[in-house]
Amino acid sequence: DIQMTQSPSSLSASVGDRVTITCRASQSISTFLNWYQQKPGKAPKVLIYAASSLQSGVPSRFSGSGSGTDFTLTISSLQPEDFATYYCQQSYTTPYTFGQGTKLEI
Amino acid sequence: QVQLVQSGAEVKKPGSSVKVSCKASGGTFSTYAISWVRQAPGQGLEWMGGIIPISGATNYAHKLQGRVTITTDESTSTAYMELSSLTSEDTAVYYCAREASDSGRGYYWFAYWGQGTLVTVSS
Repeated sequence: DIQMTQSPSSLSASVGDRVTITCRASQSISTFLNWYQQKPGKAPKVLIYAASSLQSGVPSRFSGSGSGTDFTLTISSLQPEDFATYYCQQSYTTPYTFGQGTKLEI
Repeated sequence: QVQLVQSGAEVKKPGSSVKVSCKASGGTFSTYAISWVRQAPGQGLEWMGGIIPISGATNYAHKLQGRVTITTDESTSTAYMELSSLTSEDTAVYYCAREASDSGRGYYWFAYWGQGTLVTVSS
């Protein structure tokens, strides 16, 4: 199985900050990488697919980059509603696997 | 707009089975894969397996192979996940998720999610 490792596991930031979350795959997955946001008690919501494509309706302050084994999710200017947990997920091959999550806190 | 509505919370005894349903509305049911993803309390997301309704082709996570069965009923646009031989480690919120795709480039992502079903395994 492909292992996905996110860093950091948690992150404290303030409104207006620029934040970057990293995801590393245990083998090359080209750009088959998706990012999700999850708030407490809610289902995950896709933000980015194919490493850098913004899902329709997602604010443009979210962006993704990377290919191969190293990927990043960047939030350019944190808003209050962005405090949540973020997961990467590889769709290169089944079994699909998720990173362990990054909790973004105030 | 695609909506996925799951069945309600369940409490099960160790060793028993649970079957969770996921009814889809809007969009095309048959041609998009549906996966099941679970989340133990305070933990991350775990992909359990998926199915392509039109073909019935399934794919399961290795650690759950033999205990999980995913099926669909195209007549009601409903997907099911059955998990057997339950233990306390199966206590989790179970989500169904429908893929969206950029099939020309081979990209798939979970664009639509059910609301989640809490399954509690306790004696």
